Amino acid sequence: DTGVSQDPRHKITKRGQNVTFRCDPISEHNRLYWYRQTLGQGPEFLTYFQNEAQLEKSRLLSDRFSAERPKGSFSTLEIQRTEQGDSAMYLCASGGDGRYNEQFFGPGTRLTVL
Amino acid sequence: DQQVKQNSPSLSVQEGRISILNCDYTNSMFDYFLWYKKYPAEGPTFLISISSIKDKNEDGRFTVFLNKSAKHLSLHIVPSQPGDSAVYFCAASGKTGANNLFFGTGTRLTVIP
Repeated sequence: DTGVSQDPRHKITKRGQNVTFRCDPISEHNRLYWYRQTLGQGPEFLTYFQNEAQLEKSRLLSDRFSAERPKGSFSTLEIQRTEQGDSAMYLCASGGDGRYNEQFFGPGTRLTVL
Repeated sequence: DQQVKQNSPSLSVQEGRISILNCDYTNSMFDYFLWYKKYPAEGPTFLISISSIKDKNEDGRFTVFLNKSAKHLSLHIVPSQPGDSAVYFCAASGKTGANNLFFGTGTRLTVIP
């Protein structure tokens, strides 16, 4: 399977704990995105990587959130000191370099903060 | 501030008939529009896209229409099949920067056999 993969698929944690999610994009894609989706809403943009460089961050990405993409391959999203409001589906997407390239999404990581 | 809006939360259509899903946007800088389909517990799956230089794009049973003056686009599915039952999201991106997508809130399509 050559699509976008995410791990874990589900994560339950207690408030105040740190969590880390991983995304493996489609191998030839240079662009990588993280989105967050809550119930009844569409996905909302969090951050964007072009290769290993993090080029844009949404104001939704508080200082408790950090993302990396070492070597321009897989990416990790870490949430420190989780809060109940962080409960959501975290989606990763990758895309090619062309101006009109669609983004392909992974299955997401569902986070539940108790 | 919702820049992409899908005002119909749900739509039910008989199998074999046409499904029309609508989407409006407010940002005139958007120049690329996409439709995604989402099943429960899965990520969104890309369906079809259109750039602002076109007003129609067709792919099999799926056609997207863009009316730039009205800032409106629609997705037509014909004929509708039970397997099309899912939540459909409209998305848009701008001309510069990250090209990140702005999504609507989705329309749940139910195709009745």
